[in-house]
Amino acid sequence: SQKIEQNSEALNIQEGKTATLTCNYTNYSPAYLQWYRQDPGRGPVFLLLIRENEKEKRKERLKVTFDTTLKQSLFHITASQPADSATYLCALDNQAGTALIFGKGTTLSVSS
Amino acid sequence: DVKVTQSSRYLVKRTGEKVFLECVQDMDHENMFWYRQDPGLGLRLIYFSYDVKMKEKGDIPEGYSVSREKKERFSLILESASTNQTSMYLCASRGLQGDTEAFFGQGTRLTVV
Repeated sequence: SQKIEQNSEALNIQEGKTATLTCNYTNYSPAYLQWYRQDPGRGPVFLLLIRENEKEKRKERLKVTFDTTLKQSLFHITASQPADSATYLCALDNQAGTALIFGKGTTLSVSS
Repeated sequence: DVKVTQSSRYLVKRTGEKVFLECVQDMDHENMFWYRQDPGLGLRLIYFSYDVKMKEKGDIPEGYSVSREKKERFSLILESASTNQTSMYLCASRGLQGDTEAFFGQGTRLTVV
């Protein structure tokens, strides 16, 4: 069955550095992949979607890459700030294309 | 501002009670979903619905049922609540096309005592 793995449960970095989060998937070839942000006690909020024919996508300080050969997406936050501290989830459609399934998330802590 | 609204932020129920969690969306979305989120386990799909009166089992449907009588409303029912159903429950909606984002409610933290 398809599986999504986010390699790190937690990532601690200093303000101003670039945070890089990894999402790997197996047993599936999704047409697109999504990233969400979740703050404690709240529902996830959509950040970015990247399609299989897009190598890279940017939105302000966020950058996502999608390598369908490696079956991996990287999520970068440049010039990180304490306000970027949150849990980041990657998601892709199940094989039937009917529902999103999520990785367990990486909790990012940015210290000043 | 688009919205998915869950009826309660916090709920405390007793073991064996029948529990209803309500979710309403105002985006005219076809698809609606119920997830539960537990530490270390992430978001797990319980049930989803792609149309009124239609439902599909997700990965962990046991002990739950759902109801979708109107397009905007999707209810999760715990027939007989148990302590292992203590969790954060999240409702989401999404349009018909696959490559679109999901919108989540604020979550309901359910404690079964």
